Amino acid sequence: AQRVTQPEKLLSVFKGAPVELKCNYSYSGSPELFWYVQYSRQRLQLLLRHISRESIKGFTADLNKGETSFHLKKPFAQEEDSAMYYCALETSGSRLTFGEGTQLTVNP
Amino acid sequence: EAQVTQNPRYLITVTGKKLTVTCSQNMNHEYMSWYRQDPGLGLRQIYYSMNVEVTDKGDVPEGYKVSRKEKRNFPLILESPSPNQTSLYFCASSFLATGELFFGEGSRLTVL
Repeated sequence: AQRVTQPEKLLSVFKGAPVELKCNYSYSGSPELFWYVQYSRQRLQLLLRHISRESIKGFTADLNKGETSFHLKKPFAQEEDSAMYYCALETSGSRLTFGEGTQLTVNP
Repeated sequence: EAQVTQNPRYLITVTGKKLTVTCSQNMNHEYMSWYRQDPGLGLRQIYYSMNVEVTDKGDVPEGYKVSRKEKRNFPLILESPSPNQTSLYFCASSFLATGELFFGEGSRLTVL
């Protein structure tokens, strides 16, 4: 069965420091992976998807099929990056399986 | 404005009193889904629908019902709520096979 694991429930960094939010998945098919973000008092929204290979708000994520990982990275964290981040795996029929989420806090 | 609208946003009820949480989207999306968000467990899918009159169970469907009589609406029904259904509920929609879900603002339900 498909599964998404985010091993860190809480992550705290200082402004300007690099940040990496970990995501591991298990899925027998060809994975489609996403990162969603929920800022305080805002709706959950798509941050980026692996298939587009783009950088959004300075974040990037590379799909590593060998390690079954899709870690989210940013070289220099900003205070406005503080939010809850969810990794998600798309399986059949548009279904998304989400991880447990990582609450990122960027301290000034 | 394109959006997903849920009502009510907050509700306190008692065990066994039937309730419905409505969800409506104005983006002509085929796919709609309900999730519950609990601390440490992330978002878990309750039910989903790939089009009108097509619904299917997600990972945690017990105690819930849904219907999809119109494309824009996907209500979540709790026939006999219990305290373990106290949670934050999210409705979401998308075009099929895009992976980009649009979420509602959430409905916080407390069952006493």
